[in-house]
Amino acid sequence: SQKIEQNSEALNIQEGKTATLTCNYTNYSPAYLQWYRQDPGRGPVFLLLIRENEKEKRKERLKVTFDTTLKQSLFHITASQPADSATYLCALVNSGNTPLVFGKGTRLSVIA
Amino acid sequence: DAGVIQSPRHEVTEMGQEVTLRCKPISGHNSLFWYRQTMMRGLELLIYFNNNVPIDDSGMPEDRFSAKMPNASFSTLKIQPSEPRDSAVYFCASSFARGKNIQYFGAGTRLSVL
Repeated sequence: SQKIEQNSEALNIQEGKTATLTCNYTNYSPAYLQWYRQDPGRGPVFLLLIRENEKEKRKERLKVTFDTTLKQSLFHITASQPADSATYLCALVNSGNTPLVFGKGTRLSVIA
Repeated sequence: DAGVIQSPRHEVTEMGQEVTLRCKPISGHNSLFWYRQTMMRGLELLIYFNNNVPIDDSGMPEDRFSAKMPNASFSTLKIQPSEPRDSAVYFCASSFARGKNIQYFGAGTRLSVL
């Protein structure tokens, strides 16, 4: 069966450290993968997109990697801040014109 | 643009009542999506439209759920009759179909069915 799994429901890290979130998928052939941020009481907000032929993408303190052999994407936040505390969702588009499929998310707490 | 607008933000109703959720997508977007989010199941796609036409409603849990998109700027999700297990946050999102499926979400409607 098809699955998208985000490594943990919750992750606590110290301010200033690098947060690493994992997204694994099974039985998908994604054309690209996206990461979203969701704050309490709000809808998800798009952060980054990475294509299947890209290894890494960066945006300010964010970095995403995509390994189609391991069927995994890693999402890094460097120099994390309490304001980075939120739930982060990965989502993928399978090959073809299909809609996004979302993981359940990882709730990140950055402790000052 | 004001973004995707959903109404109401909160809805409390009694079992058996009809519930209608509303969504106004971003102007110029031609795809619209309805999701349901719960702690247990995460974000689930219920139905999506391209150019106002329903493309895939396989995520709609039961016949009690229906969705319409009468024009490019308005969509509704209706639950009739509502049940306590329908309690969740319902999100509407829109995207430009040729824009790598980047989705823009509304703030959601928190539905409580008592």
